[in-house]
Amino acid sequence: EADIYQTPRYLVIGTGKKITLECSQTMGHDKMYWYQQDPGMELHLIHYSYGVNSTEKGDLSSESTVSRIRTEHFPLTLESARPSHTSQYLCASSGIAAGELHEQYFGPGTRLTVT
Amino acid sequence: DAKTTQPPSMDCAEGRAANLPCNHSTISGNEYVYWYRQIHSQGPQYIIHGLKNNETNEMASLIITEDRKSSTLILPHATLRDTAVYYCIVRGRNNAGNMLTFGGGTRLMVKP
Repeated sequence: EADIYQTPRYLVIGTGKKITLECSQTMGHDKMYWYQQDPGMELHLIHYSYGVNSTEKGDLSSESTVSRIRTEHFPLTLESARPSHTSQYLCASSGIAAGELHEQYFGPGTRLTVT
Repeated sequence: DAKTTQPPSMDCAEGRAANLPCNHSTISGNEYVYWYRQIHSQGPQYIIHGLKNNETNEMASLIITEDRKSSTLILPHATLRDTAVYYCIVRGRNNAGNMLTFGGGTRLMVKP
């Protein structure tokens, strides 16, 4: 089992609130990712990080921001939540062993509902 | 990374082998074929990957055609818990960020 955690698992919040979704991994992986997935739809990469102090935007434009101050921690923040942000947010990480890139390990996800 | 094509859905009887096809006709020589699955409301789970040889692990077997333009994921004895969306992804070895691009996948329904 992969050691990657997301909190909260479920969040219902009102419009305009600031929220932070937490993601932590204990595998020492240098690469971390955030995906967004609407029900029954494809996963879309919204942010990724190569390592500490590295953050990049993914394929899908997102109003969220991320930070990577510590290797194990990759939080996602929405400054002002809107109903259009309602979705599932999945965090993942990957590392390198023996010179080969490893598969991505996913957390359980945070299901966000903005009312 | 090469694009993949999968059927949107498949059914399989419990206890039978589930064979999930994937076309990746534009795959290049340094690209791997990866399979993940996503059980309802959970994060995707890695299953298996391969370059050109067939691969087998405790979860599944991966058969890659000789020209590498298609592959098949085989679940030898499907159970109800294998009901999920299965994603075939092609990823280059030089993909420094280890990015994965998820398509629509195949929704496998295992029936009693």
